[in-house]
Amino acid sequence: GAVVSQHPSWVICKSGTSVKIECRSLDFQATTMFWYRQFPKQSLMLMATSNEGSKATYEQGVEKDKFLINHASLTLSTLTVTSAHPEDSSFYICSARVGANPNQPQHFGDGTRLSIL
Amino acid sequence: AQSVTQPDIHITVSEGASLELRCNYSYGATPYLFWYVQSPGQGLQLLLKYFSGDTLVQGIKGFEAEFKRSQSSFNLRKPSVHWSDAAEYFCAVGPSGTYKYIFGTGTRLKVLA
Repeated sequence: GAVVSQHPSWVICKSGTSVKIECRSLDFQATTMFWYRQFPKQSLMLMATSNEGSKATYEQGVEKDKFLINHASLTLSTLTVTSAHPEDSSFYICSARVGANPNQPQHFGDGTRLSIL
Repeated sequence: AQSVTQPDIHITVSEGASLELRCNYSYGATPYLFWYVQSPGQGLQLLLKYFSGDTLVQGIKGFEAEFKRSQSSFNLRKPSVHWSDAAEYFCAVGPSGTYKYIFGTGTRLKVLA
């Protein structure tokens, strides 16, 4: 149980294009999803917290206009990297928490490797 | 400020040997504690978690971790390592009452045949 699916797993695109990454909770409802960014051989940095039906909460230093987050249903959150540039190349990982109980751990997707040429 | 420290960036052990990965945290109260494992190019898989109660926690894949309040530590152990355990291991702290995790910098485990 508690499976999180992330799509696509790898995307390569030209500089200036926008890229959408999907995060789905397959067998549970996730009122809260999280988006992380991971640089090579580094830890995960929380970018934003996505709440179903409301605006995402961004961490300090994360450009909300660059990284658009939509959480339109209890099983889907999307991250759109707008006008992507090479410095946006990274590994993006989403996670979801089962229900609203803070005792529940976060379950992670397999990540999306984004390469901007 | 809240923080998580994993002092060992790399650890190499022989297959069959025992393993201990260190994790220290800085937080005023007892936080929620987690260990995750990440294989190359993949997401994170939860190994085990601690919220309260018994300070020795059993997880998946034969892993266990012990919470020691006096040392602010939550070290991960495995009595006999398998080659498939080679991966990156992250300790995370979730301060009680919030949902945000603070991750350590990770420990990369290499297993020698």
